[in-house]
Amino acid sequence: LAKTTQPISMDSYEGQEVNITCSHNNIATNDYITWYQQFPSQGPRFIIQGYKTKVTNEVASLFIPADRKSSTLSLPRVSLSDTAVYYCLVVIIGYQKVTFGTGTKLQVIP
Amino acid sequence: NAGVTQTPKFQVLKTGQSMTLQCAQDMNHEYMSWYRQDPGMGLRLIHYSVGAGITDQGEVPNGYNVSRSTTEDFPLRLLSAAPSQTSVYFCASSYEGGTAGELFFGEGSRLTVL
Repeated sequence: LAKTTQPISMDSYEGQEVNITCSHNNIATNDYITWYQQFPSQGPRFIIQGYKTKVTNEVASLFIPADRKSSTLSLPRVSLSDTAVYYCLVVIIGYQKVTFGTGTKLQVIP
Repeated sequence: NAGVTQTPKFQVLKTGQSMTLQCAQDMNHEYMSWYRQDPGMGLRLIHYSVGAGITDQGEVPNGYNVSRSTTEDFPLRLLSAAPSQTSVYFCASSYEGGTAGELFFGEGSRLTVL
């Protein structure tokens, strides 16, 4: 299983774009990169998933370079409600053990 | 459509007591799993199931039992609770399991073992 490394915490002011980078040097051919968001006292929530290049949805964008050894979750114009823990996962197609790391705690400041 | 429902939300046990954390989903998902979350440690996989009658161990299975008699339900049993099992437990389900499928989580069950 590819190990992921991401910053423990980040602070950002409201209205700014936030980029959270995740390192996954051992990513394999069949692996997908997936990001989850967790608010206090709630279960994680799926944000976005990608294999390569760029993926965008109504919540975030995910940038994956050609070598796929890292990825960047981009949150446009964050608000206080984006304060949460963000988890980067590498998911193997057909493999059932989905494991989470410790995530990045994002604090949005007024 | 309730999604993933966990009960109870809170529970206090004494060391050695047994209990079952219930998890039910109404999305007809084949894959279900249990995680525990401790401060500063992210989520750790306890057990998972890829369908009725099929279960397997995750990262931290010791002290926990599971069974999957129906597609909808995936209970987690603590046979003899220990203080080290004090944690927040999350149940999750997915249509495709550990593939590109999205995991849907319940709201969690906070367990304290005295």
